[in-house]
Amino acid sequence: EAGVAQSPRYKIIEKRQSVAFWCNPISGHATLYWYQQILGQGPKLLIQFQNNGVVDDSQLPKDRFSAERLKGVDSTLKIQPAKLEDSAVYLCASSPGSLLYTDTQYFGPGTRLTVL
Amino acid sequence: AQSVTQLDSQVPVFEEAPVELRCNYSSSVSVYLFWYVQYPNQGLQLLLKYLSGSTLVKGINGFEAEFNKSQTSFHLRKPSVHISDTAEYFCAVNPRGYGGSQGNLIFGKGTKLSVKP
Repeated sequence: EAGVAQSPRYKIIEKRQSVAFWCNPISGHATLYWYQQILGQGPKLLIQFQNNGVVDDSQLPKDRFSAERLKGVDSTLKIQPAKLEDSAVYLCASSPGSLLYTDTQYFGPGTRLTVL
Repeated sequence: AQSVTQLDSQVPVFEEAPVELRCNYSSSVSVYLFWYVQYPNQGLQLLLKYLSGSTLVKGINGFEAEFNKSQTSFHLRKPSVHISDTAEYFCAVNPRGYGGSQGNLIFGKGTKLSVKP
C-alpha cells in the first residue's frame, strides 16, 4: 500500500513569509498527526485530527500556525508569518484510528523548512 | 508530566558487535512504549512496541527490547549489528489517556547509531 505522502520535501523562506505543507495519509486512516522535529530533538506533536475534527492542538502556536483536514483525508499545515525558530522538519503521520493508544503511527518523509 | 530520556546521543559500534540503546521514561501513569528508527532523509518507521504481556518484545530487523517497570526502562538491543542499521533511533511513550491524551507520542531526543566496518 502507498505510504504517507508529503510535499514539498524542502522549503527555504525568509522570516515573516508564509509557507504551507501538504500531507496525504494512508488510505482509510482516520487519525492524522503533524509533528515538528527541531534538529537534535525528537518529534513534538503539533496537532492531531480524528477524521476532520481536531483532537489535540494544545502545542500548536495558534498565533502563527494553522492546520486543516478537509473531508477527513488530506491535510495542510500553514505558518504565517514564519520565524527563525520555525526551522525544522515537519512530519506527518497517520494511523488507523480505531485503537488510539496502541495504533502504529506511519510517518511520511517530512518537509525540511529553513527560515532565513 | 511524562518524559523520555535517551541516555546516549551517539553510539558507535563495529559491524557484528552487539549493541544496546538505552531509554528511560518518567510517568505517573501506565504507558505504552515504542521504538522507532529513522534512516537518513526518511520518515520514522516502527521497530517494535510494548503494550502488555511479556516484557521482552521482538521487532523487525532482529531488534528486541525489554520493559522493566521497576527501573522505568525500555532498552533496545541487537546481538549483531550490520552496516545497514546505521540510523537514528527514537524511544517514545504513549500515556494511557492521561491528561486527555488521545494517542499522541512523546519522543526522546534520539540516539544516532553508527555501525563501522
